[in-house]
Amino acid sequence: DQQVKQNSPSLSVQEGRISILNCDYTNSMFDYFLWYKKYPAEGPTFLISISSIKDKNEDGRFTVFLNKSAKHLSLHIVPSQPGDSAVYFCAASAPTGNQFYFGTGTSLTVIP
Amino acid sequence: KAGVTQTPRYLIKTRGQQVTLSCSPISGHRSVSWYQQTPGQGLQFLFEYFSETQRNKGNFPGRFSGRQFSNSRSEMNVSTLELGDSALYLCASSLLGDTDTQYFGPGTRLTVL
Repeated sequence: DQQVKQNSPSLSVQEGRISILNCDYTNSMFDYFLWYKKYPAEGPTFLISISSIKDKNEDGRFTVFLNKSAKHLSLHIVPSQPGDSAVYFCAASAPTGNQFYFGTGTSLTVIP
Repeated sequence: KAGVTQTPRYLIKTRGQQVTLSCSPISGHRSVSWYQQTPGQGLQFLFEYFSETQRNKGNFPGRFSGRQFSNSRSEMNVSTLELGDSALYLCASSLLGDTDTQYFGPGTRLTVL
């Protein structure tokens, strides 16, 4: 049972435009969320996180939005750059455990 | 500071064999988690070790096991390999586990023939 879902396997965006990656979760106990970026042949690298006490967190070009009532989070990348082309995973954890649940990933392609 | 290292990077085995994968965490990190990545399944959590103790375990059969040594290095073992075990196995280390940011290694690509 996939508790964290990324329903878009791929996304293409023009350079300079906004990229929006979406993630839905089913477990209302999740209170901490992360986004990872993964290049081919490399492990995922941490991008940005958000806890459930906030609804927005910004770090440079990256902003994560959390809508707890909808159990939905999104990652906005503005402006998108070709180097952002990678697979993006969202992950969630509950306060009761050390386990992170990952989505299946969205492959972002930024077209120059 | 050196990152998380995993050995070997690539491995080819046949069905029924067993395999051991190794992970060296970032110096000072005491938590090591293992994940399996397959197309369409994303990253599936296997288990997490902290100070040589397994703290959490995912929903994988008993053929998947692990351990952690006193220097925080961790090994993962898969016995009686099946074709479906072909995957990228990633380990991630963090300082204390919990909601600490995890730092991933490059992974071991296992192919079972």
